[in-house]
Amino acid sequence: GQNIDQPTEMTATEGAIVQINCTYQTSGFNGLFWYQQHAGEAPTFLSYNVLDGLEEKGRFSSFLSRSKGYSYLLLKELQMKDSASYLCAVSLLFGDSGGYQKVTFGTGTKLQVIP
Amino acid sequence: GAVVSQHPSRVICKSGTSVKIECRSLDFQATTMFWYRQFPKQSLMLMATSNEGSKATYEQGVEKDKFLINHASLTLSTLTVTSAHPEDSSFYICSARDRQEPNEKLFFGSGTQLSVL
Repeated sequence: GQNIDQPTEMTATEGAIVQINCTYQTSGFNGLFWYQQHAGEAPTFLSYNVLDGLEEKGRFSSFLSRSKGYSYLLLKELQMKDSASYLCAVSLLFGDSGGYQKVTFGTGTKLQVIP
Repeated sequence: GAVVSQHPSRVICKSGTSVKIECRSLDFQATTMFWYRQFPKQSLMLMATSNEGSKATYEQGVEKDKFLINHASLTLSTLTVTSAHPEDSSFYICSARDRQEPNEKLFFGSGTQLSVL
């Protein structure tokens, strides 16, 4: 089976930096996504990592280590509007010759930004 | 950016009825669509992967006869919740991958809130 784990909740202060970790144990790994989801809304794309290393995009950065089954999302200069759930999702290949793909989400981390 | 349209956004139905949810990719072709279910304050749970022109691949524990998936074209996938019961009440959301960019991000529909009375 697949296990994708994240902390359930985190609290951080406006203007600070927060790191949300994600660990996974899967077979057929084909990339890792981070999504943001506000309550009652669909998830929105933040980042995608397929190779090891850090991907930076504005205030958001995402890191991947495939050998360790580990990723993190780094949010800088936190704003109140960043309060949301952050979902780690793993893209997997399966089936004959890895011809099929699926994307499985982790448990999600609810981030609360406080003044 | 790419758009995925999901309808209806909200459904209230009586127990025992069937409900169909549509997911359309409006400006791209999607060979693969994913159906998720989300309970309040929880993450997305993958129900099945819908592949155009072939049978859907269901996750363990998801009843194929209960949740019928049809992916008849490169732009449309449907999920039918058959003989719905109150425990089927949930937020259902579809997503699609652009055929031209198989390893890029998923595009999500806006979701369907199903309430079974």
